[in-house]
Amino acid sequence: TQLLEQSPQFLSIQEGENLTVYCNSSSVFSSLQWYRQEPGEGPVLLVTVVTGGEVKKLKRLTFQFGDARKDSSLHITAAQPGDTGLYLCAGRHSRGTASKLTFGTGTRLQVTL
Amino acid sequence: ETGVTQTPRHLVMGMTNKKSLKCEQHLGHNAMYWYKQSAKKPLELMFVYSLEERVENNSVPSRFSPECPNSSHLFLHLHTLQPEDSALYLCASSQSKSRGSTEAFFGQGTRLTVV
Repeated sequence: TQLLEQSPQFLSIQEGENLTVYCNSSSVFSSLQWYRQEPGEGPVLLVTVVTGGEVKKLKRLTFQFGDARKDSSLHITAAQPGDTGLYLCAGRHSRGTASKLTFGTGTRLQVTL
Repeated sequence: ETGVTQTPRHLVMGMTNKKSLKCEQHLGHNAMYWYKQSAKKPLELMFVYSLEERVENNSVPSRFSPECPNSSHLFLHLHTLQPEDSALYLCASSQSKSRGSTEAFFGQGTRLTVV
């Protein structure tokens, strides 16, 4: 099993603070995805990164794929209560039909007023 | 509306019961997945169906039996489960292509409690 370690596991911050979540592995991925999951719901895709060194921005969220395509980070600027949730990274190893995603251990974020 | 619908949303069953989870996707995808999400564990891939054929079974106990009658529907039949099988069961779909797959889109999950 190819393990994706996320850090930190839990993060509780106040509104307006910045934060970074890390996703690390010893494996090389063909692509990496970030999801956010709210209580009682399934994960919702935020972004896919494909190229080593790629940076993508989604409003206050900035995603970066490591140069070696083994790790990724998610940076949130000026966090808001609506950012609260479980953040999951997921790496795709193979190409071809129904290639599987390996999910990270998750980072649970709570943003308070 | 995520395009992937799971029913029921919540299920409580005894260890001797037989029940089924249902998943339906409205995205025209050709691959469907079952994942198990337990507290404090990463999402675990259970089964993968591509073009209605099972292409992966991650050493899942036989008390879980998947069925994919067509590309839009996926079932998970449950029989003589154990309390440790209590978890959130998530269905996902994606479009497989010759050079990889699109992103996975998830349903809202079925919260299963085995008593």
